[in-house]
Amino acid sequence: KAGVTQTPRYLIKTRGQQVTLSCSPISGHRSVSWYQQTPGQGLQFLFEYFSETQRNKGNFPGRFSGRQFSNSRSEMNVSTLELGDSALYLCASSPWGRGSTDTQYFGPGTRLTVL
Amino acid sequence: DQQVKQNSPSLSVQEGRISILNCDYTNSMFDYFLWYKKYPAEGPTFLISISSIKDKNEDGRFTVFLNKSAKHLSLHIVPSQPGDSAVYFCAASPLFGNEKLTFGTGTRLTIIP
Repeated sequence: KAGVTQTPRYLIKTRGQQVTLSCSPISGHRSVSWYQQTPGQGLQFLFEYFSETQRNKGNFPGRFSGRQFSNSRSEMNVSTLELGDSALYLCASSPWGRGSTDTQYFGPGTRLTVL
Repeated sequence: DQQVKQNSPSLSVQEGRISILNCDYTNSMFDYFLWYKKYPAEGPTFLISISSIKDKNEDGRFTVFLNKSAKHLSLHIVPSQPGDSAVYFCAASPLFGNEKLTFGTGTRLTIIP
């Protein structure tokens, strides 16, 4: 099976712009989670989508949003970019999204730099 | 509030010796714990897990120990190999339900040849 893919891999934007990141989960996986990784903060959970519905949400401002399509592919959008949004954004998929019974498989991430 | 803490940002170990990575948690609802390994330019990959009904789980060179009363878990790698050099993340979640994983901040392990 193909792994989780994320596009683009690298992105440079300026403050105030908006950005859309894409994630294609492993075939058959219905849960997609997004994480932000910054130095010293580890992986911070953004949100999780299951069957096109947001099921869990982390403590991020409303500028961060996402959606999931019927084929389980997911997009994440960040509006009005700030310098502090520079980070590695990771997407993870699992069959059902249950932390204890499903292993999450991560994509390689999108490195976003905000200038 | 960091519910999962990895207090050592980095660790260096000689090749062949034991590497011990530590993780503490504060949320008593956590019943399931995982370790992920991350190489640069790659996403984290699942390494090993343990549920609260056990205090030890082994998989080859990797062993995870759980001390529920101390809310502490550790990952032992024996013997350490150069390919083990990576960032290791501890994660936790409740055993049931659809709760998200809560990750620690990571420990960078460097194996010295």
